[in-house]
Amino acid sequence: EIVLTQAPGTLSLSPGERATLSCRASQSVSSRYLAWYQQKPGQAPRLLISGASSRATGIPDRFSGSGSGTDFTLTISRLEPEDFAVYYCQHYGNSYTFGQGTKLELK
Amino acid sequence: EVQLVESGGGLVQPGRSLRLSCAASGFSFSIYWMSWVRQAPGKGLVWVSRINSDDGDRLYADSVKGRITISRDNAKNTLYLQMNSLRAEDTAVYYCVREYWGSFDFWGRGTLVTVSS
Repeated sequence: EIVLTQAPGTLSLSPGERATLSCRASQSVSSRYLAWYQQKPGQAPRLLISGASSRATGIPDRFSGSGSGTDFTLTISRLEPEDFAVYYCQHYGNSYTFGQGTKLELK
Repeated sequence: EVQLVESGGGLVQPGRSLRLSCAASGFSFSIYWMSWVRQAPGKGLVWVSRINSDDGDRLYADSVKGRITISRDNAKNTLYLQMNSLRAEDTAVYYCVREYWGSFDFWGRGTLVTVSS
């Protein structure tokens, strides 16, 4: 079973700064099936990125995804106040796996 | 507009059963794979079960295998999750999600299941 490990657990930044979130898989995975989600308190998660690098409909271009093999990254180029949330990576292979999440908090 | 509306959650005693429903609208429900994802209070996301478009294939997380059954009624645009022998650790918000190429592109608002005596 593939395990996804996200780092850091918590990231403290200010609006306007760049955020880099990591997702590492326990074995090489297909980037075609690697996704990222954003979840705000009291809300359902929202798909940001699928296929490791394709933005979902309506997602601002300050969000970008990259990576392959075992290492994937979600980058938010310039943080807006509404970007402070929890972010999850997820993979589909023989089953579906989520990372444990990275909390992006206001510094 | 795609909508997924869960219902059926509530407080249930350990060992009892509960059936969740998810009413889908705004898209061609019958052609999409669907899943349930849960989130315990203050915890992360955990995938529970998936069903393919024609109910020919079902997949379950090891933690629920044998206790939970996913099903769908394409004529009613509805997804179900039958949960038996409920345990305290099943306490969570259960989300109905639409799958697209292995990612979950639309989520319902969730329904809370609390297992407690």
